[in-house]
Amino acid sequence: GNSVTQMEGPVTLSEEAFLTINCTYTATGYPSLFWYVQYPGEGLQLLLKATKADDKGSNKGFEATYRKETTSFHLEKGSVQVSDSAVYFCALILSGYSTLTFGKGTMLLVSP
Amino acid sequence: DTEVTQTPKHLVMGMTNKKSLKCEQHMGHRAMYWYKQKAKKPPELMFVYSYEKLSINESVPSRFSPECPNSSLLNLHLHALQPEDSALYLCASSHVPSLRENTEAFFGQGTRLTVV
Repeated sequence: GNSVTQMEGPVTLSEEAFLTINCTYTATGYPSLFWYVQYPGEGLQLLLKATKADDKGSNKGFEATYRKETTSFHLEKGSVQVSDSAVYFCALILSGYSTLTFGKGTMLLVSP
Repeated sequence: DTEVTQTPKHLVMGMTNKKSLKCEQHMGHRAMYWYKQKAKKPPELMFVYSYEKLSINESVPSRFSPECPNSSLLNLHLHALQPEDSALYLCASSHVPSLRENTEAFFGQGTRLTVV
């Protein structure tokens, strides 16, 4: 079956620190990979995506590279802000399917 | 317009009440979804509509009844819910997936449901 594994949280950082949230996956085919962000009390927003191996998704200073050889899609940001505090979900979807497979989510807390 | 709009934002209902959650999108998406999210958990898929027809029902109890009246609207009718059904209910939409391309899902802000 398909699955997504994310690092356990919460991840606690000071403002301007470097962020990495690890995500690895198993899939029976060739998935597209996504990072969604959920701010407190809100729905999910698509943060970035990558649809094939070696693609790099980027948005709002966040980046993630689709690594087929390590089945990973780690999220990085060079300098986090307090406003980045949220829960981050890594997810995959297989071609032709409508069902997203989510990781358990990683809470990020950024302090001033 | 990349918005999925859900109403109401908050809902408190008794176990004998009947209520409906509404979802609307105008992105031309022909796939629409209902998810349930409990605190500190990822969303769990409940239903998928494709071209206004129910294509996936993830063994959801019959007290949840989805409806897709047209390509822009998705409803979730609620009846005789239990306190454990309290959760954030998220609607999402996307283009209908094909083997040629994957497509991302756009989520609404959710309805925070409390069953008392």
